[in-house]
Amino acid sequence: DTEVTQTPKHLVMGMTNKKSLKCEQHMGHRAMYWYKQKAKKPPELMFVYSYEKLSINESVPSRFSPECPNSSLLNLHLHALQPEDSALYLCASSQPFPGLAGYNEQFFGPGTRLTVL
Amino acid sequence: AQSVTQLDSHVSVSEGTPVLLRCNYSSSYSPSLFWYVQHPNKGLQLLLKYTSAATLVKGINGFEAEFKKSETSFHLTKPSAHMSDAAEYFCVVSGGGNKLTFGTGTQLKVEL
Repeated sequence: DTEVTQTPKHLVMGMTNKKSLKCEQHMGHRAMYWYKQKAKKPPELMFVYSYEKLSINESVPSRFSPECPNSSLLNLHLHALQPEDSALYLCASSQPFPGLAGYNEQFFGPGTRLTVL
Repeated sequence: AQSVTQLDSHVSVSEGTPVLLRCNYSSSYSPSLFWYVQHPNKGLQLLLKYTSAATLVKGINGFEAEFKKSETSFHLTKPSAHMSDAAEYFCVVSGGGNKLTFGTGTQLKVEL
């Protein structure tokens, strides 16, 4: 299974809501990532988990809260978002660098399209 | 430090003609290089990767890329474009750690 799945596909939320994005992979990868992608732009890294521990936080506002319950699952909890947070949120996984292969090939999910009203 | 420059933000070709998407990189390390494709409202799919083995890399859907260290380039080519190739293409470098550095993307348009 070489697939990364994300739910939901679409999410509309108000600025006072609390919601969560979910990501799952069954490739045995021990690194998982959250990216934010605005239209016509490349993905921007938000968080990296390596062996279920947060290893990189790219100065993301605290209204985004990541969680890695186990090696297959990654969540992104959302609270008090702003309209400018509307974007495609992508999850990815890989072997932790350098890994057996010596390089970081990331596998991406289809994304969650988030709209904040 | 590492960086990627995609030299064209938009490329337009006719169906059946060759595709060339240009990418230059800069890296302090011996880099790994990737091309990803993103169709509208989809995630990113890996087309091909260079990892210091063969300099000519073949990928999926007839795409290939050549790593040229002297020119610090990793251009993506395909002999004959298909309508289904219309998408956004990202050149990506991995020089160390778990971070990838993305280029700004090239929008490929394929016309009949």
